[in-house]
Amino acid sequence: GQNIDQPTEMTATEGAIVQINCTYQTSGFNGLFWYQQHAGEAPTFLSYNVLDGLEEKGRFSSFLSRSKGYSYLLLKELQMKDSASYLCAVGGTDKLIFGTGTRLQVFP
Amino acid sequence: DAGVTQSPTHLIKTRGQQVTLRCSPKSGHDTVSWYQQALGQGPQFIFQYYEEEERQRGNFPDRFSGHQFPNYSSELNVNALLLGDSALYLCASSLRTGNGYTFGSGTRLTVV
Repeated sequence: GQNIDQPTEMTATEGAIVQINCTYQTSGFNGLFWYQQHAGEAPTFLSYNVLDGLEEKGRFSSFLSRSKGYSYLLLKELQMKDSASYLCAVGGTDKLIFGTGTRLQVFP
Repeated sequence: DAGVTQSPTHLIKTRGQQVTLRCSPKSGHDTVSWYQQALGQGPQFIFQYYEEEERQRGNFPDRFSGHQFPNYSSELNVNALLLGDSALYLCASSLRTGNGYTFGSGTRLTVV
């Protein structure tokens, strides 16, 4: 079966660091994607990991451990505009398999 | 360079009706996938079109059908609408040979 788990909601303070975890069990694996989605808008691509390790891109970093079926998205120097849903997705054959998303609220 | 364009933005239909949603892929992309996103959930894969054929399908009934045109644009058709079909329908385009997906802003369908 296909199962992707991530926390439903998280809160954090402006300027802080937050880590959003994602665990997965899927029958295929073509990489791990993270998307950001503001309410009523399109998901926008944040990161892609296909090999184990940390990928850093500005304030956002993503980590993957294929043996543990585990990934996290790290957001540094949080800003109010980072309040959004963060979607973890596993690349399958010709499709993405999404988790339910983590709604992050950033407070001043 | 236009991204993925979807129309209409919002739509209200009555139970039992039929609906057609449209998607124009990002310039240079040849593959279109459709996803259904219910409120508070992650997107669920409906199907993918490449070379005007359905290449893969998710766990959706035959009421959901699609089409891809020679210019790579695509339509999603849903027949005999149910209240549970109310959702945000997302189109994602990509290159057949690539891993990058670009999403449109979606069509918000409400079935009453």
